[in-house]
Amino acid sequence: GAGVSQSPRYKVAKRGQDVALRCDPISGHVSLFWYQQALGQGPEFLTYFQNEAQLDKSGLPSDRFFAERPEGSVSTLKIQRTQQEDSAVYLCASSLVQIPLSSYEQYFGPGTRLTVT
Amino acid sequence: SQQGEEDPQALSIQEGENATMNCSYKTSINNLQWYRQNSGRGLVHLILIRSNEREKHSGRLRVTLDTSKKSSSLLITASRAADTASYFCATGGSRLTFGEGTQLTVNP
Repeated sequence: GAGVSQSPRYKVAKRGQDVALRCDPISGHVSLFWYQQALGQGPEFLTYFQNEAQLDKSGLPSDRFFAERPEGSVSTLKIQRTQQEDSAVYLCASSLVQIPLSSYEQYFGPGTRLTVT
Repeated sequence: SQQGEEDPQALSIQEGENATMNCSYKTSINNLQWYRQNSGRGLVHLILIRSNEREKHSGRLRVTLDTSKKSSSLLITASRAADTASYFCATGGSRLTFGEGTQLTVNP
């Protein structure tokens, strides 16, 4: 079956431009996550949705970052007025079950590599 | 911020040898997961071990967990060139917190 897909795979933006990154989770997956991964580092949590509700956005680094999942399926991560420090790989993951305190396997997409020049 | 640290940061071995990677974390956990990341397949879940388990096996993978020391290890036996990747431990519930990873290179 289809896994998590992300588009575009690569994005080059000039400093100050707005970008939108798309994530298509596995069909039927309730939970959706966004992570940011800098070169040579592990992924860092940005935000989490359960269906269309954004339950945790504490990892978003600034108010220039905004994520939505209006119909509980596809999600978009938007970065306004991009800066060089936003250059990273943005990973999306989805999970079948609702996640309270326990943790279940997350299925990751291939990521979008954003380069801000 | 990273929850834990993996060591070594990089490991290079010959095909057929075993590879051991370690992970330390800071807070109490319900479970710990290991993921593999390579350029071809992205980040892939390998194994989850719960806090009340001490050891778990999956194929050529063996994971141990010592909650008293807040540490875990991942052993890959009879390594193959295809095992070349970065390996991350991760803790947490709705938000996974990853270590910085171990870059494993398996030379044919």
